[in-house]
Amino acid sequence: AQSVSQHNHHVILSEAASLELGCNYSYGGTVNLFWYVQYPGQHLQLLLKYFSGDPLVKGIKGFEAEFIKSKFSFNLRKPSVQWSDTAEYFCAALGYQKVTFGTGTKLQVIP
Amino acid sequence: GAVVSQHPSWVICKSGTSVKIECRSLDFQATTMFWYRQFPKQSLMLMATSNEGSKATYEQGVEKDKFLINHASLTLSTLTVTSAHPEDSSFYICSARDGANVLTFGAGSRLTVL
Repeated sequence: AQSVSQHNHHVILSEAASLELGCNYSYGGTVNLFWYVQYPGQHLQLLLKYFSGDPLVKGIKGFEAEFIKSKFSFNLRKPSVQWSDTAEYFCAALGYQKVTFGTGTKLQVIP
Repeated sequence: GAVVSQHPSWVICKSGTSVKIECRSLDFQATTMFWYRQFPKQSLMLMATSNEGSKATYEQGVEKDKFLINHASLTLSTLTVTSAHPEDSSFYICSARDGANVLTFGAGSRLTVL
């Protein structure tokens, strides 16, 4: 069965700290991977996606993620977070006709 | 960019009534749309996958007769919560998949059943 797991449920960082959010997926076939962000009071927005090719993908707002096939991972990173990055982050896997979300990670950035 | 409109954004209804939520892709065609339910402080739970012109595929544990999904065109899918009860109160979100396999989300619909 397809599954996505996010290991960090709640992360608190100071501004300028580096961020890495873990995401592992389980799926038997070709899978497209996404990171979505939900800012307080807003709907989900796409941060970045991986379909194929270069395993290091860059998204909006300085975020990037690396697809490591051998580890079934798609971790999200940002070198220096800002207070405005406070939000909830969801990893998602899209297989054939089925999408699965991780449980989400709440990121709180302290000024 | 791609936009998905969800309507209504907030609805309050009496127990026993039915409520319809619309999900529209405004500037692209979506052969597949997904419906989710989000409980407070929890992740999105996929309820069903809606394919244009065919029956929706429901996830295990989701009542088909309770949550009716219709995907009548390439730009519109509807979710009808039938005979709503207070436990159906939740935040319902749709997403639409475009030709590039990217999911675009609607803003969600908050249902409160009295």
